Amino acid sequence: EADIYQTPRYLVIGTGKKITLECSQTMGHDKMYWYQQDPGMELHLIHYSYGVNSTEKGDLSSESTVSRIRTEHFPLTLESARPSHTSQYLCASSDTYNEQFFGPGTRLTVL
Amino acid sequence: AQSVTQPDIHITVSEGASLELRCNYSYGATPYLFWYVQSPGQGLQLLLKYFSGDTLVQGIKGFEAEFKRSQSSFNLRKPSVHWSDAAEYFCAVGGPLFSGGYNKLIFGAGTRLAVHP
Repeated sequence: EADIYQTPRYLVIGTGKKITLECSQTMGHDKMYWYQQDPGMELHLIHYSYGVNSTEKGDLSSESTVSRIRTEHFPLTLESARPSHTSQYLCASSDTYNEQFFGPGTRLTVL
Repeated sequence: AQSVTQPDIHITVSEGASLELRCNYSYGATPYLFWYVQSPGQGLQLLLKYFSGDTLVQGIKGFEAEFKRSQSSFNLRKPSVHWSDAAEYFCAVGGPLFSGGYNKLIFGAGTRLAVHP
């Protein structure tokens, strides 16, 4: 059973607020990922990291930023939330090959 | 370009009936292939994976999938569906041709499965 956690699970916030979505894993995986998923739609990679101090932008352009100061922690930050950021955000991690383990997701609503 | 196509957006089956979810991919080499399941409001859970070897792979919850290189397909099957199988199913492809190396996945748009009692 994979151990990857995301908090909060649900967040409703007003426009212009700064938010941080937390993601932690206890498996010691080097590689971590953030995906954005609109309801009923496919997943789009927005950020990934191959290790501490390594972050890269994904295939879908995003106004969010990420950091990787510790192996187990990969937070995502939005400096100024907008309604267009309303979505589900999924965090994942992997060790070998491409097998990724997913957290439960954070459903973000920006009013 | 690498891509994954799931032709069926929605599928409805009766409980106890057999199931096949289709997945076609475009990739320039032997891919790594995955099926994930997502229940409402949840993350994705890996059902099964194919890296190499036997083209028929067994997964959790009674699912299996068959890799057919000639058809660029990796269809998911289950002989008898249970009501708890109602969920969204995603096919994904990965491999060394993606920029960034071995660890990126490209997902299909998903197939939503409904199960009638």
